Amino acid sequence: QSALTQPPSASGSPGQSVTISCTGTSSDVGGYNFVSWYQHHPGKAPKVMIYEVSKRPSGVPDRFSGSKSGNTASLTVSGLQAEDEADYYCSSYAGSNNFVFGTGTKVTVL
Amino acid sequence: QVQLQESGPGLVKPSETLSLTCTVSSNSISSTYYWGWIRQPPGRGLEWIGSMYHSGTTFYNPSLKSRVTISVDTSKNQFSLKLYSVTAADTATYYCARGNANDYYFDFWGQGTLVTVSS
Repeated sequence: QSALTQPPSASGSPGQSVTISCTGTSSDVGGYNFVSWYQHHPGKAPKVMIYEVSKRPSGVPDRFSGSKSGNTASLTVSGLQAEDEADYYCSSYAGSNNFVFGTGTKVTVL
Repeated sequence: QVQLQESGPGLVKPSETLSLTCTVSSNSISSTYYWGWIRQPPGRGLEWIGSMYHSGTTFYNPSLKSRVTISVDTSKNQFSLKLYSVTAADTATYYCARGNANDYYFDFWGQGTLVTVSS
């Protein structure tokens, strides 16, 4: 299984929106509605921001939203804040109890 | 709040076995979740290594399957990772995490531990 493809970087000014794509195949992203997104500040534990494509865990701001179309999932962060600056990784269930992660996107708040 | 903490040697010699333990707090390791290991080589993305379900069933990344064993010690509320015949390519920060079996995502993670493979 190959890593899901994400853009290396994305940026936006405070208050703006940024969208990160996550492209896989019909064997992972396109085949299951089990895409999750993780926020990772270096040196800290990754934190789940979205699961099952578009669901937010308790405590995650509604500025974070997820969607999927075909083999590509997306994470949108609206109303960017300084604390949103981090690395973001998507992940997808890939069948047979296997998982695959994305290549990661560094989000910079300008 | 569930807490996970990785522990183990920070330096392993090439061809030897990497052994890490994850201690779980505030959640029984026998509960209906799965427990996984994920790693991140320096400057690269996350890679799923494998998972163990509460039943004891294990699933491994096909690319690592021949070199990996995940096991559990319920008496200590810990689960462990063994990666055999390591090379420099196995140098990474290793994370343990709890998985949500119904929704296929990892809801709680440890802070990670860096393991360097070098002679």
